[in-house]
Amino acid sequence: KAGVTQTPRYLIKTRGQQVTLSCSPISGHRSVSWYQQTPGQGLQFLFEYFSETQRNKGNFPGRFSGRQFSNSRSEMNVSTLELGDSALYLCASSEGDTNQPQHFGDGTRLSIL
Amino acid sequence: ELKVEQNPLFLSMQEGKNYTIYCNYSTTSDRLYWYRQDPGKSLESLFVLLSNGAVKQEGRLMASLDTKARLSTLHITAAVHDLSATYFCAVDMEYGNKLVFGAGTILRVKS
Repeated sequence: KAGVTQTPRYLIKTRGQQVTLSCSPISGHRSVSWYQQTPGQGLQFLFEYFSETQRNKGNFPGRFSGRQFSNSRSEMNVSTLELGDSALYLCASSEGDTNQPQHFGDGTRLSIL
Repeated sequence: ELKVEQNPLFLSMQEGKNYTIYCNYSTTSDRLYWYRQDPGKSLESLFVLLSNGAVKQEGRLMASLDTKARLSTLHITAAVHDLSATYFCAVDMEYGNKLVFGAGTILRVKS
């Protein structure tokens, strides 16, 4: 069974630009969550989508948004990029039952110049 | 607001020794997860603990959960170099998959 796939793996952008990250969950998984990992703040929850609906949201500004498609693939968009948005963005999928572990992708490393 | 604290944050140990990583959380929850992250890699699920008194073991690692004390432990037995990694605990208290992570414990096992 293929794991969680995130594209691209690396991305370099400049301040003010926007970016879209993609995540393909494990086949059959309906829940997709996004996390930001930085050396200073650690792992922080961005949002979760389940059956195309945002089910949970973290404490990030509105510049961070996401969506989920009918095939459970998810995208995350960050607009008006800031230097502080440089991070590893991790996507995780699960069957949807909250008692199952989330399976993480390899992440997208976003660098803002 | 849910807070998750791990200690120690850094652990250097000799091969063959035993040690315990502690994970405290601030509000009631009965869903706790342990993950491992190798440098430059993603997170790998180790254990899912879903009830008070739950104990799970895999190889040299054993995790337990005490929901009344709001405490989970990850015990390492007879450490080997391959266990060197960063270990995270995470708590999920709301409906849906919204994990709050601890800061992580960097484990270095020296031969």
